[in-house]
Amino acid sequence: DTAVSQTPKYLVTQMGNDKSIKCEQNLGHDTMYWYKQDSKKFLKIMFSYNNKELIINETVPNRFSPKSPDKAHLNLHINSLELGDSAVYFCASSQEPSSYNEQFFGPGTRLTVL
Amino acid sequence: GNSVTQMEGPVTLSEEAFLTINCTYTATGYPSLFWYVQYPGEGLQLLLKATKADDKGSNKGFEATYRKETTSFHLEKGSVQVSDSAVYFCALSGSNDYKLSFGAGTTVTVRA
Repeated sequence: DTAVSQTPKYLVTQMGNDKSIKCEQNLGHDTMYWYKQDSKKFLKIMFSYNNKELIINETVPNRFSPKSPDKAHLNLHINSLELGDSAVYFCASSQEPSSYNEQFFGPGTRLTVL
Repeated sequence: GNSVTQMEGPVTLSEEAFLTINCTYTATGYPSLFWYVQYPGEGLQLLLKATKADDKGSNKGFEATYRKETTSFHLEKGSVQVSDSAVYFCALSGSNDYKLSFGAGTTVTVRA
């Protein structure tokens, strides 16, 4: 059984479009995250939700809006896509927001903006 | 703020060679330290972790020791296999927050 799943796996779209990436975890975790991995493999956190409440909001353009309908889901909506948004986006979850806890990662969504 | 510096790759080794990937960190307080591994086309998986000074994390033949005096968490494996080919990330989570700060990643290729 997949612990953290993301859809779609690949997303190719034109500049200016709006798109969403969905994430679901079946681990019963309270906390979920979105990370962006650039072409040089550098990973940076974007957002985190705990029990559907936003707890981490890094310096990310307003075009990016996370939504957590329940503890098991955290979606990422991106408006007016730009070339620089091309990256691999990873969802992750952890039992709770603690510095000790392992984060479990999804397989990633490769977004290509043309 | 918190930051992690790890040795740049890529690293290419022969099977059964010794692997070391250096990682140093900057953080206030007592962070937790992690090594994550990313196999081709997959998400990250936790390889090992250490949550306090002098702790040694180990898994799948890999080891790393949390050295507060040198602010380091170097990853080692005595005899690598082709299946160890992956990107390895050193990361920390601060004692006052729970964001993971990652190093730049080190690509390791093991040749038969």
